[in-house]
Amino acid sequence: DTAVSQTPKYLVTQMGNDKSIKCEQNLGHDTMYWYKQDSKKFLKIMFSYNNKELIINETVPNRFSPKSPDKAHLNLHINSLELGDSAVYFCASSQASTFLDIQYFGAGTRLSVL
Amino acid sequence: GQQLNQSPQSMFIQEGEDVSMNCTSSSIFNTWLWYKQEPGEGPVLLIALYKAGELTSNGRLTAQFGITRKDSFLNISASIPSDVGIYFCAGQLQGAQKLVFGQGTRLTINP
Repeated sequence: DTAVSQTPKYLVTQMGNDKSIKCEQNLGHDTMYWYKQDSKKFLKIMFSYNNKELIINETVPNRFSPKSPDKAHLNLHINSLELGDSAVYFCASSQASTFLDIQYFGAGTRLSVL
Repeated sequence: GQQLNQSPQSMFIQEGEDVSMNCTSSSIFNTWLWYKQEPGEGPVLLIALYKAGELTSNGRLTAQFGITRKDSFLNISASIPSDVGIYFCAGQLQGAQKLVFGQGTRLTINP
């Protein structure tokens, strides 16, 4: 059983489109995250939710909107996609939100904007 | 901006050699974590360090939390082909509620 699963694994789309990436964790964790990994492999946090509540919102364009319908799911919707949005997006989860807790990552969604 | 400097950026070694990489910062960290990422996968936690001076091992891997709380290193002894991947350090800045990641060290092993 995959602990943190993201779909789709690959996403190729045209500039200007709207797309969503889904994430689910079956670990019973309270906190979920979205990270962006750029072409140089640099990982940066975008959002963090604890029990469906937003606790971290880094400097991310408001075209990115996370949604957490329940604590096991954190989806990422992106409006009006731009070339610079091309990256690998990782979902992660942890038991607590203190960052002292181990974070478990999904396998990533590779987004290519043409 | 970038708050963690990880080096080296890449390493090409022979199987059986020992590996050493480190992360440094001008800021103080409460926690240091070391992750490994393989192609097409997400990062997987290798070692977590919570106290200054702490030295922790996980099999052939050893990591230390620097005394100044501004650095950490990871050593891999007797490397094997499955050690190939990108190794990331990550730390929780003092007073911050997020993890900051280093740029990664790409390890390549010649058999």
